[in-house]
Amino acid sequence: EAGVTQSPTHLIKTRGQQATLRCSPISGHTSVYWYQQALGLGLQFLLWYDEGEERNRGNFPPRFSGRQFPNYSSELNVNALELEDSALYLCASSFGGTGTLRRTYEQYFGPGTRLTVT
Amino acid sequence: AQSVAQPEDQVNVAEGNPLTVKCTYSVSGNPYLFWYVQYPNRGLQFLLKYITGDNLVKGSYGFEAEFNKSQTSFHLKKPSALVSDSALYFCAVRDPTVGSSNTGKLIFGQGTTLQVKP
Repeated sequence: EAGVTQSPTHLIKTRGQQATLRCSPISGHTSVYWYQQALGLGLQFLLWYDEGEERNRGNFPPRFSGRQFPNYSSELNVNALELEDSALYLCASSFGGTGTLRRTYEQYFGPGTRLTVT
Repeated sequence: AQSVAQPEDQVNVAEGNPLTVKCTYSVSGNPYLFWYVQYPNRGLQFLLKYITGDNLVKGSYGFEAEFNKSQTSFHLKKPSALVSDSALYFCAVRDPTVGSSNTGKLIFGQGTTLQVKP
């Protein structure tokens, strides 16, 4: 079974530019999550998409946004890049559902996209 | 506020010896707990979870974890460490539901580096 895939592996951008990161979930998973892993800040929850809708977002400014496509893949966009946006961005997927009666709760992670802002 | 603490930045063990990586949590309601492992320049790999049931949970690669409600702990253990177990380990707790809805968010500890020496 193919795991979560992310592209690109590395991305180098200049301050003020926009970055687009992509994620394909495990087949059968409808929920996609985005996390930021920055040095010294640990893993921080960014966004959750399920069935094409944004269900929850973490404590990040609005210039972090994304979407989920009908095939459940997802895109994370970061506008007006700042130096502190340099981090590993991890995508995860799971079986979906917003209620409490979900089949499983664990999230499966992709290898990440390393974003460097210069 | 919900939180996870991993009190040790690094744990050193000799190959063949038992290992323990500590985790304590603070969460309202019943905790849903997880352990993940991260190898250099890789995403997170799911090891095991505690949702309900037996306090001793078995997971991948010979790892197990013991849930202790009174001590609010979920320590990761392995009877005999391998050099290949050397990696960064994260404990996580699911953010409690809001009403009847799942928030989708995992809250991670800061991580513990496990170093297994031959």
